[in-house]
Amino acid sequence: NAGVTQTPKFQVLKTGQSMTLQCAQDMNHNSMYWYRQDPGMGLRLIYYSASEGTTDKGEVPNGYNVSRLNKREFSLRLESAAPSQTSVYFCASRHGRQAGNQPQHFGDGTRLSIL
Amino acid sequence: AQKITQTQPGMFVQEKEAVTLDCTYDTSDQSYGLFWYKQPSSGEMIFLIYQGSYDEQNATEGRYSLNFQKARKSANLVISASQLGDSAMYFCAMREGRVGATNKLIFGTGTLLAVQP
Repeated sequence: NAGVTQTPKFQVLKTGQSMTLQCAQDMNHNSMYWYRQDPGMGLRLIYYSASEGTTDKGEVPNGYNVSRLNKREFSLRLESAAPSQTSVYFCASRHGRQAGNQPQHFGDGTRLSIL
Repeated sequence: AQKITQTQPGMFVQEKEAVTLDCTYDTSDQSYGLFWYKQPSSGEMIFLIYQGSYDEQNATEGRYSLNFQKARKSANLVISASQLGDSAMYFCAMREGRVGATNKLIFGTGTLLAVQP
């Protein structure tokens, strides 16, 4: 009964390094999302994938790329990490074209520090 | 532009008392949804309650209820009989537009609730 699994849980990078955050869900959800959480700013959407094979930009996409590898997996890549990308990253999933009261289900987050 | 505003950065409440966490929203859509999530110190995001814009009744889930005032564009979370385990950050979020494939959420900045014994 894993739900949404994110790896790694913690990571420290040097400026300029690259990194891929992994996310997998086992709930057969169509839609997946990547957010970042910064102090005092709530969660902001980076990218989302409404269904397998599609991805779209959210509110803060600059400096990131995503891949919807299959229905289960949605990865987030930082090609050249910057200190401004120090944050907690959350992956979430949802059924998609279902009743509006269906919430997004979140992973436990990845705490990323860039020095 | 669509926006969620939570004006209370932090609140205290005595154990066993009720507390109201404020949330106001701004949207030009007629169809939208409002969610509340809880984030304890361990960091995970826990879904609490949902209110649809066309729902005639205020939503309730156990000790959680939503005071939905559509004309005032407010969706305040009421927690009854507070418990120490309710100490957490609480986020209000709005689904953009009608139900569809994207179902993107816009989050407020959160309210940190501390329940005192």
